[in-house]
Amino acid sequence: GAVVSQHPSWVICKSGTSVKIECRSLDFQATTMFWYRQFPKQSLMLMATSNEGSKATYEQGVEKDKFLINHASLTLSTLTVTSAHPEDSSFYICSARDTGSTDTQYFGPGTRLTVL
Amino acid sequence: GQSLEQPSEVTAVEGAIVQINCTYQTSGFYGLSWYQQHDGGAPTFLSYNALDGLEETGRFSSFLSRSDSYGYLLLQELQMKDSASYFCAVRARSNTGKLIFGQGTTLQVKP
Repeated sequence: GAVVSQHPSWVICKSGTSVKIECRSLDFQATTMFWYRQFPKQSLMLMATSNEGSKATYEQGVEKDKFLINHASLTLSTLTVTSAHPEDSSFYICSARDTGSTDTQYFGPGTRLTVL
Repeated sequence: GQSLEQPSEVTAVEGAIVQINCTYQTSGFYGLSWYQQHDGGAPTFLSYNALDGLEETGRFSSFLSRSDSYGYLLLQELQMKDSASYFCAVRARSNTGKLIFGQGTTLQVKP
């Protein structure tokens, strides 16, 4: 299957700081990427849909000013958690949609964020 | 909106066959996907059903009945490494291909 990378794989930061997470599709172009958050032992919760060249679409209850998404190219989307607080600590996973023959979403390896 | 239901836990022994069911309620439907996730890892795509019937990929098969809003993932010849969480996900009927995930089924394979 296709490869999606995320960077960093884990990050620890102080409360009040901002953290940027990158998601890259390595061997295909993705006009659409998705950002999920997953708490321990829970399912993946879709936060937003990232569209190349346009504004992201946020799910209900997700603060767009807190979770800034930029999809500047067909292979890169970034999620910035602004003014992070301990309750933002979670596993953040991106996926990229490969609209080829199978029209499948491929997931990145995830980023573990811990806010102290 | 959309909602999906699947069992929270399933236990089976090595070599056995296990079926994980998924029922869904959705205002629009474009297909049912299955993903595997090991602890601490990312979800891995297993299968996708857009039409009714059975899709087979090695030891894993997935089935869909759109009239019953029901699907299942069948795992055969279970191995210890199959211990993981399995998620069904509905593709929303939208241009973005947005997925809505079920709560996941934790499969424990015992020797």
